[in-house]
Amino acid sequence: GAVVSQHPSWVICKSGTSVKIECRSLDFQATTMFWYRQFPKQSLMLMATSNEGSKATYEQGVEKDKFLINHASLTLSTLTVTSAHPEDSSFYICSAPRTIGDLHFGNGTRLTVT
Amino acid sequence: GIQVEQSPPDLILQEGANSTLRCNFSDSVNNLQWFHQNPWGQLINLFYIPSGTKQNGRLSATTVATERYSLLYISSSQTTDSGVYFCAVGVTGANSKLTFGKGITLSVRP
Repeated sequence: GAVVSQHPSWVICKSGTSVKIECRSLDFQATTMFWYRQFPKQSLMLMATSNEGSKATYEQGVEKDKFLINHASLTLSTLTVTSAHPEDSSFYICSAPRTIGDLHFGNGTRLTVT
Repeated sequence: GIQVEQSPPDLILQEGANSTLRCNFSDSVNNLQWFHQNPWGQLINLFYIPSGTKQNGRLSATTVATERYSLLYISSSQTTDSGVYFCAVGVTGANSKLTFGKGITLSVRP
């Protein structure tokens, strides 16, 4: 079964609202989780590295005030898309390493901003 | 940053055929992984293979780190093998952040 759970699977929201996406490791503790964004028929682009108990590390070009990441426990990281706009519509995926080289992904969240 | 190139970009196979997917990378790495993304978007870790050869059923992978490439072999392909195959590399450790290639879209026809 799944070892990383991501919710919601899909969400439709109106422009200007905020959306929170949760990523949970189910049977292991994850001090680090990764958040990716994927546009249709494109590759995964790393947005940020979520670190338990400390600030996330954002990739160049990713707005930290727009994509808020919180890793408050060893099993939960959240990504909040603030004041969402249509251009934020995308497929967001989280991942967490269970052991060395054993990276597990959530099933992704398809965000549509209208 | 490191560049990851995958080839071919698209591949169409008849069920039962074999195939080789290639991943070239531009710098030394200490983490290389192959993933399969199914048509519903779910990503599955196939191999952690920064060097050497591994096999798992009909799939096997080889990484020649000194020559900066990795190969994923699929034998006796099945329709369920369809999807996108990503190669991803990291340079700062086994659980470091990964840079993904653009992927290889595989379609296996019955």
